[in-house]
Amino acid sequence: KQEVTQIPAALSVPEGENLVLNCSFTDSAIYNLQWFRQDPGKGLTSLLLIQSSQREQTSGRLNASLDKSSGRSTLYIAASQPGDSATYLCAVYSFQGGSEKLVFGKGTKLTVNP
Amino acid sequence: DAGVIQSPRHEVTEMGQEVTLRCKPISGHDYLFWYRQTMMRGLELLIYFNNNVPIDDSGMPEDRFSAKMPNASFSTLKIQPSEPRDSAVYFCASSRGEFFIGRDGETQYFGPGTRLLVL
Repeated sequence: KQEVTQIPAALSVPEGENLVLNCSFTDSAIYNLQWFRQDPGKGLTSLLLIQSSQREQTSGRLNASLDKSSGRSTLYIAASQPGDSATYLCAVYSFQGGSEKLVFGKGTKLTVNP
Repeated sequence: DAGVIQSPRHEVTEMGQEVTLRCKPISGHDYLFWYRQTMMRGLELLIYFNNNVPIDDSGMPEDRFSAKMPNASFSTLKIQPSEPRDSAVYFCASSRGEFFIGRDGETQYFGPGTRLLVL
């Protein structure tokens, strides 16, 4: 059974700092890995999707990497801003229990202090 | 497009009552998902549909939960009878995908969620 773990559960940094969020998964047979952002009281927004054949994806100040063999992914946020404050969830798409599923970690709550 | 629409946004009910959550997916999306989010368990997939047909309902916690998708633009998640432990935020999401969404690399688009409190 696929399990996704995110460490740390919460992170507080000063504005302008570069930071890394970590995600690990137990079953490396995945189709893709996604990073989502969740703002309080709102749904999830997809930030980056990395296919299993890819090593990384970039969007603006965000860079996500994938090491499938070791079951790890990182989300790098450059020059953090207060507007980056949110919960970041990692999710992997894999075949589980007879169907394809997106399995989520519990997220890292990021606070960027002005 | 207006995105995934869910109603109600908030629901407070008493134990034993029937609760119905509603979802309108993004037009043209073939897949619809129902998730539940709690602090303890995080985000869990309850059930998903492809072209209005339930594909995997193994995440539905028990028989008190049921979901339907009578047409491509509407789905319901029903809890009857509701219990305090059902209190959570319920999300609906939709996605395109010709065959297998994971392999197609299509992301899911989430609605704003329904915050359910069962007293």
